[in-house]
Amino acid sequence: AQTVTQSQPEMSVQEAETVTLSCTYDTSENNYYLFWYKQPPSRQMILVIRQEAYKQQNATENRFSVNFQKAAKSFSLKISDSQLGDTAMYFCAFMKLRNNNDMRFGAGTRLTVKP
Amino acid sequence: ETGVTQTPRHLVMGMTNKKSLKCEQHLGHNAMYWYKQSAKKPLELMFVYNFKEQTENNSVPSRFSPECPNSSHLFLHLHTLQPEDSALYLCASSQDRLTVNEQFFGPGTRLTVL
Repeated sequence: AQTVTQSQPEMSVQEAETVTLSCTYDTSENNYYLFWYKQPPSRQMILVIRQEAYKQQNATENRFSVNFQKAAKSFSLKISDSQLGDTAMYFCAFMKLRNNNDMRFGAGTRLTVKP
Repeated sequence: ETGVTQTPRHLVMGMTNKKSLKCEQHLGHNAMYWYKQSAKKPLELMFVYNFKEQTENNSVPSRFSPECPNSSHLFLHLHTLQPEDSALYLCASSQDRLTVNEQFFGPGTRLTVL
C-alpha cells in the first residue's frame, strides 16, 4: 500500500519569506501523480500544484513550486514570498495510475504566515 | 468555491440519533468520495462511487451507510455512532476513477458525537 509522510506537523514563516514543506512517499509504482492541496481555516480544500512522475521538470504555479526527487521518493513544496493568505493546512497526496485513481494523503502540515 | 457543497456544515448528535450528511456537486463529475478527516491523521477514504456504483468500501463500520442516487448527489447516513466518530467529513468529486483528474472537495461537515 502507498503511504505518504509529512514529517512537519506545524511550521511558521514570516510574511514575504520562503518556506519549504516536506513530503515523502512509499510506492512500488513507476507511474503516478503527486499533489499538494491547501485547506485554509474553515474553507474548502483546493489543489495547489500537481506533478506527474514521468516528468523530470519540477512543476511551478506562480509562487508555488515543487522539488520532485523520484529516486528519493520526495516531493517538497516551496512557497516563495509568503502571504498571510497562505496560512492553511497543506496536504501532500499520491495517486497511482492502475485499477483506480484513488488518492492517499499525508497527515498534513499546518503553516502559519506571520506578519 | 469548488463546485461541491455539503450540508449541514456542523452537526451535533447523540449516540442513538440517526442523521444524514448531504453532498452535491455541480461539476458534471461521475465519481464521488467520502473522506474522514481527524486531527493529525491522514485523510481516510471511506467510500467511492463511480457512475453511481459503489466501488470501494474501506472497511468502514456499518453504522456509516452511503447512498448515491445520481452522479450529482451523495449521502452519508449515520446511526448509533460512537464518540470516536467525531471528525470532519469531506465529500469530493472527480471526473471519474479511470482518468487522472484532481479531486474537488466540499467544505466538510464538522460532526460531534456526544
